[in-house]
Amino acid sequence: GQQLNQSPQSMFIQEGEDVSMNCTSSSIFNTWLWYKQDPGEGPVLLIALYKAGELTSNGRLTAQFGITRKDSFLNISASIPSDVGIYFCAGGRTGNTPLVFGKGTRLSVIA
Amino acid sequence: GAVVSQHPSRVICKSGTSVKIECRSLDFQATTMFWYRQFPKQSLMLMATSNEGSKATYEQGVEKDKFLINHASLTLSTLTVTSAHPEDSSFYICSARDWRGSYEQYFGPGTRLTVT
Repeated sequence: GQQLNQSPQSMFIQEGEDVSMNCTSSSIFNTWLWYKQDPGEGPVLLIALYKAGELTSNGRLTAQFGITRKDSFLNISASIPSDVGIYFCAGGRTGNTPLVFGKGTRLSVIA
Repeated sequence: GAVVSQHPSRVICKSGTSVKIECRSLDFQATTMFWYRQFPKQSLMLMATSNEGSKATYEQGVEKDKFLINHASLTLSTLTVTSAHPEDSSFYICSARDWRGSYEQYFGPGTRLTVT
């Protein structure tokens, strides 16, 4: 099925650094969501965005819904070791259609 | 709020046997639940969409007779892997969407299935 273009695939950063990742699509979405998955666990919802141009924060996390409705980014400020994991973006359309997921960004934080 | 549980968390079964995985929304009602399969270091692969009281909608390439899905109530969906084979070994994750129409999907903790 369709997947979103999520980048980067993986990143290694030093503790304290800021992180940025993004997702793009060739078609529009009505909502963008960002999830984090720890090893051996299910994804956990971090941020949900519902309006084009919307900028939302959750602690050190900030995400934006692109104005064209075809992209979104997630920033993590002042990374810490527990930020390690896989981050997935997901786009939603209407009704009961399932979310479309990106392939994930694997984040490693070096203390 | 928005807690989804899965049971069992891990299961080992012999080839040819069937395994049932339960997915429950604990603090909300879910008219729609989703079942995913995830291979190591890969993204989530949607297997089927389950609507309460109706037949599940399977994604292309997913055998509905092998992966039986039942969504009997607004808080429970089950996935039964029938006549399991080693290639069915995987991480299975369910998610649920609140009946009030939110796009947000809440995921269970996953079930690690190993078929020997």
